[in-house]
Amino acid sequence: DAKTTQPNSMESNEEEPVHLPCNHSTISGTDYIHWYRQLPSQGPEYVIHGLTSNVNNRMASLAIAEDRKSSTLILHRATLRDAAVYYCILFGGAGGTSYGKLTFGQGTILTVHP
Amino acid sequence: DAGVIQSPRHEVTEMGQEVTLRCKPISGHNSLFWYRQTMMRGLELLIYFNNNVPIDDSGMPEDRFSAKMPNASFSTLKIQPSEPRDSAVYFCASSPPWGGRGNQPQHFGDGTRLSIL
Repeated sequence: DAKTTQPNSMESNEEEPVHLPCNHSTISGTDYIHWYRQLPSQGPEYVIHGLTSNVNNRMASLAIAEDRKSSTLILHRATLRDAAVYYCILFGGAGGTSYGKLTFGQGTILTVHP
Repeated sequence: DAGVIQSPRHEVTEMGQEVTLRCKPISGHNSLFWYRQTMMRGLELLIYFNNNVPIDDSGMPEDRFSAKMPNASFSTLKIQPSEPRDSAVYFCASSPPWGGRGNQPQHFGDGTRLSIL
């Protein structure tokens, strides 16, 4: 499976922007970049995904490098509720090494300070 | 809209007993996934179904584990006989038809916390 690398932990202050990085140097052409987060005692929650272009939704923005070997999840104004483990995952289509499967790594533990 | 529904939320049973976990996917979703989460191994995919057919069960730990999807609205994960090392949180997820591309999100249930004594 294609691998991703994330920092183990990050900290932020409430109402400040947060940039969560992810490296995926072995990404294949059919792999989508997905981000999920898991709040304490809950199941993972889909955040956002993209292929080549930057993406925005109500939860976050995803900035994808031009060579697609890295990406950044952007939370524009962190709240206490955003404290969670954030997972960056490559999810692929037919022919890719991550076909049909989400493979979760260790993720980044985000702490938000009041 | 109802999300993925798992039952029971908690299960405590003794070693050697049969355990059955249940999952109802979101209506209209045709892919269903079973995951297991432990502190040691994190989140692991056990098996997934597409249109009720098991596609990849390479993550199922051993023959004591079995999963079925008799119809589009129901799936079970069974452990028989159960062992203390099976203690974990088991998640079910579903996703819309994805046509062989990786552009569909998965929606997770709240999980079943299983403790085998």
